[in-house]
Amino acid sequence: GAVVSQHPSWVICKSGTSVKIECRSLDFQATTMFWYRQFPKQSLMLMATSNEGSKATYEQGVEKDKFLINHASLTLSTLTVTSAHPEDSSFYICSAPRTGSTEAFFGQGTRLTVV
Amino acid sequence: KQEVTQIPAALSVPEGENLVLNCSFTDSAIYNLQWFRQDPGKGLTSLLLIQSSQREQTSGRLNASLDKSSGRSTLYIAASQPGDSATYLCAVGPGAGSYQLTFGKGTKLSVIP
Repeated sequence: GAVVSQHPSWVICKSGTSVKIECRSLDFQATTMFWYRQFPKQSLMLMATSNEGSKATYEQGVEKDKFLINHASLTLSTLTVTSAHPEDSSFYICSAPRTGSTEAFFGQGTRLTVV
Repeated sequence: KQEVTQIPAALSVPEGENLVLNCSFTDSAIYNLQWFRQDPGKGLTSLLLIQSSQREQTSGRLNASLDKSSGRSTLYIAASQPGDSATYLCAVGPGAGSYQLTFGKGTKLSVIP
């Protein structure tokens, strides 16, 4: 099956710093990737759609200047949480669909803790 | 706006029991429905994917059904094992070519040895 790799799996950072999370499709190309986050005891919520070679589209209520998305190649999308605050602590996970497949494949997720 | 609800929120059963997890969605215009397993602090493992034209899918001890018109799906787990303990997520896909899923909050399953 298709593999999506996400790195790091967990990160702890100080308030005010920035954190970059990578999402890679290992054995297929993905022109589109999706970023979700999950707060404790809540459902996974779509944050943004990452588009290779163009700007990401953000869901309502997600600050595009805070959550910077770059999709510079067909196998890599990055999410940078800028000036992180404790309320940004969450589980972030990416997914990528493979052309010809009816499903999107998920990374392992990143547990971000801002202290 | 699509909303996905999973009942119960948590379930504890003794090993060997058969069990059913429920998922309901408000907008029946879905393309597919997917069941995932999530272990603590980990990513998602896809268990079963049902296309809107299908009624059920089976994989090993797992059977998922879909009643699109009533907006419901069930995940049946036969002969539960302690290793089945995890959170089970239901997610619906809105349309062909769209992979943006709407998730439920999940059912946390504990199988007691």
